[in-house]
Amino acid sequence: DGGITQSPKYLFRKEGQNVTLSCEQNLNHDAMYWYRQDPGQGLRLIYYSQIVNDFQKGDIAEGYSVSREKKESFPLTVTSAQKNPTAFYLCASSVEIQETQYFGPGTRLLVL
Amino acid sequence: GESVGLHLPTLSVQEGDNSIINCAYSNSASDYFIWYKQESGKGPQFIIDIRSNMDKRQGQRVTVLLNKTVKHLSLQIAATQPGDSAVYFCAVDFNKFYFGSGTKLNVKP
Repeated sequence: DGGITQSPKYLFRKEGQNVTLSCEQNLNHDAMYWYRQDPGQGLRLIYYSQIVNDFQKGDIAEGYSVSREKKESFPLTVTSAQKNPTAFYLCASSVEIQETQYFGPGTRLLVL
Repeated sequence: GESVGLHLPTLSVQEGDNSIINCAYSNSASDYFIWYKQESGKGPQFIIDIRSNMDKRQGQRVTVLLNKTVKHLSLQIAATQPGDSAVYFCAVDFNKFYFGSGTKLNVKP
């Protein structure tokens, strides 16, 4: 069963805490992406990676960090510097950059 | 850059009727367009795509129309079913993908 998985489905963050969202794909895609979704708005790009060991900032990278040590995995860390982290986070992947993106099921991050 | 807008935040249709969801984009150099369906609490699901060298593409019960002259994209769903209830948004590729905010489709039984 190929696809993109994200975990956890829900995540709670305390003040001053860093949290990491997992994204794994077994589609053999080179490119991976992280988006943030807020009510009434289009998806906003946080970070993307065209290939292993390379990643680029998107439009709203402040307060977030990523790594791409394996082709299959692209974890996102929401740091304490992100002052408004409550959102639905979506991971996506594509064969290569600017090709069709396929999305994971999402992680909802809530602040305690 | 690019900006993407959808004409209606909500669309209500009767089961069995056809639905038309619209999307407008700003940059005439955009060359690849995708429609996604997103059910509540889930990730977006690819429905259909079209490139700028085409003006129409059909899938199963769905048709995408591209009017490059007025920079307008539409998704038509034939014989709308309750399972079609979701948010639909377009993605427009201009160096990167730009996403519309979505139209919520409500299907009335």
